[in-house]
Amino acid sequence: DAGVIQSPRHEVTEMGQEVTLRCKPISGHDYLFWYRQTMMRGLELLIYFNNNVPIDDSGMPEDRFSAKMPNASFSTLKIQPSEPRDSAVYFCASSLGKSQHFGDGTRLSIL
Amino acid sequence: AQSVSQHNHHVILSEAASLELGCNYSYGGTVNLFWYVQYPGQHLQLLLKYFSGDPLVKGIKGFEAEFIKSKFSFNLRKPSVQWSDTAEYFCAVNSAGGFKTIFGAGTRLFVKA
Repeated sequence: DAGVIQSPRHEVTEMGQEVTLRCKPISGHDYLFWYRQTMMRGLELLIYFNNNVPIDDSGMPEDRFSAKMPNASFSTLKIQPSEPRDSAVYFCASSLGKSQHFGDGTRLSIL
Repeated sequence: AQSVSQHNHHVILSEAASLELGCNYSYGGTVNLFWYVQYPGQHLQLLLKYFSGDPLVKGIKGFEAEFIKSKFSFNLRKPSVQWSDTAEYFCAVNSAGGFKTIFGAGTRLFVKA
């Protein structure tokens, strides 16, 4: 079975540019989570969806971050404008029950 | 507020040594507990989970964890580690009625061959 698929795997861009991260959850899973992982702050939950509806976005750091889930098989996390402190690994995870399945992550570097 | 505390940030062991990683959580209700592992350069994978029942949970690769409700703890153990266990280990908790999962800061385990 295909797992959670994230793209791109790596992204390097200059500050001020718009960044879009993509996630395809496991088919049939009804929850989708976006996390950010940094050395300083560990693994932080940014936002999660249930049946494509955002349930809790309290972890989104600021208005520069936005997330959408237009359908059950696709979600995006957008940063506009990007800043160097946004550099991190961003993970998407999906679940049907309580155990989450993680994607391989997107390693984002903002120069 | 919910929180998860992992006592050790870094652990270094020799092969065949026994492992115990501490995890304490703070939450006032019924919880589900998890241990995830992240091998170098890879994504998080579920090692084991506790929802209810026998507080001693066995997971993959010889790992086990014990839920002690009175101590709000869910420590991870393995009797004999291998070099391939080198990874970062995360304890996590969510409420029995919800899906928002809180992760601990992680413990980096390095096993010397």
